[in-house]
Amino acid sequence: DAEITQSPRHKITETGRQVTLACHQTWNHNNMFWYRQDLGHGLRLIHYSYGVHDTNKGEVSDGYSVSRSNTEDLPLTLESAASSQTSVYFCASSLTGADEQYFGPGTRLTVT
Amino acid sequence: LAKTTQPISMDSYEGQEVNITCSHNNIATNDYITWYQQFPSQGPRFIIQGYKTKVTNEVASLFIPADRKSSTLSLPRVSLSDTAVYYCLVNSGGYQKVTFGIGTKLQVIP
Repeated sequence: DAEITQSPRHKITETGRQVTLACHQTWNHNNMFWYRQDLGHGLRLIHYSYGVHDTNKGEVSDGYSVSRSNTEDLPLTLESAASSQTSVYFCASSLTGADEQYFGPGTRLTVT
Repeated sequence: LAKTTQPISMDSYEGQEVNITCSHNNIATNDYITWYQQFPSQGPRFIIQGYKTKVTNEVASLFIPADRKSSTLSLPRVSLSDTAVYYCLVNSGGYQKVTFGIGTKLQVIP
């Protein structure tokens, strides 16, 4: 069965370190998204991609970057982790714009 | 982007029908209305999507009036397992950047 996975599921890192969160989908979807979820803020879009080599900034993109070298993967990199980036991160994918998004299980990141 | 407004929280007893209304006054002609459900420690899950009038699936119904400035998600005979956060989204086919907002936290009481 097709699926979307995230790794690691839990990560503790120190301030200033570079961190990369992986997202892999086997739906063969064109669109992929990264969100962060914090209490009181719901889900906020970080970056999104419409296809290979395409990336776009979302509403909270500062301090994050993504690259899309193939259809299946959209890794999220925190260039220099900050305590404000402690959050739960969700990756999602969809076939087209109006289609439902399929979400991964999430990665809980703690920056100390 | 069309902004959505929905209640922050709702309580309901088991077995009752629950209606969650979402307002989206600035909805565009080509926007769809989509609802997601999220359980604790999980990613959101698609429930239902509609454009106008009424849509029904095995989980819920979605009612959309003619002016499309609001929509109502209806959950028939809720159970404890329906306790979750429900998000209303508005998005168009060619514009994929959607806003989830805070959602409505539904608590089902025994």
